[in-house]
Amino acid sequence: DVKVTQSSRYLVKRTGEKVFLECVQDMDHENMFWYRQDPGLGLRLIYFSYDVKMKEKGDIPEGYSVSREKKERFSLILESASTNQTSMYLCASSLAASGLRGQETQYFGPGTRLLVL
Amino acid sequence: AQRVTQPEKLLSVFKGAPVELKCNYSYSGSPELFWYVQYSRQRLQLLLRHISRESIKGFTADLNKGETSFHLKKPFAQEEDSAMYYCALYTGAGSYQLTFGKGTKLSVIP
Repeated sequence: DVKVTQSSRYLVKRTGEKVFLECVQDMDHENMFWYRQDPGLGLRLIYFSYDVKMKEKGDIPEGYSVSREKKERFSLILESASTNQTSMYLCASSLAASGLRGQETQYFGPGTRLLVL
Repeated sequence: AQRVTQPEKLLSVFKGAPVELKCNYSYSGSPELFWYVQYSRQRLQLLLRHISRESIKGFTADLNKGETSFHLKKPFAQEEDSAMYYCALYTGAGSYQLTFGKGTKLSVIP
């Protein structure tokens, strides 16, 4: 059974702080993703990674960066947190190399609810 | 660019009534479509995928390429179906990503 874990369920940070959100998957998946989930806006992709040290911008990368030093771990970094980054952050992983059908199912972590004051 | 549209933010139905959650997509190629579900206090998870042609928890969805739709249906809603539902599209064309709709919150009234 695929397990995706996120380091915190709830976080409260102050404006301007540097924030690290960690995600770990235990199924040797190639791809990892960071989304934010907001009411009425659905899931929006921030960044994804298809291999160690590789990253691609998603739809809303501004104000965020990522790090993938090990295959199982994908970190989301808020360089200087702002109140408009208050959100639920979801991490996901999938097995697929690009174009391989049947392996694109994404498995999600429980989410981190971040409040920036 | 591909897009997924879920026209209803909120859908309320009575227990035992039929349910249809709408999903329309725009993509010129041959996409794969999925429905993901998030129950209260649970993680987002795959409900079903069109290539499997299976029924999960009584839900089915048929890909209609002519209408570019992938509506999720269930003949008799149950209270435990109350959740957030997301339609998602995978192009497989050099892409690793899923494109998600904005979601529909289904509320089943007892």
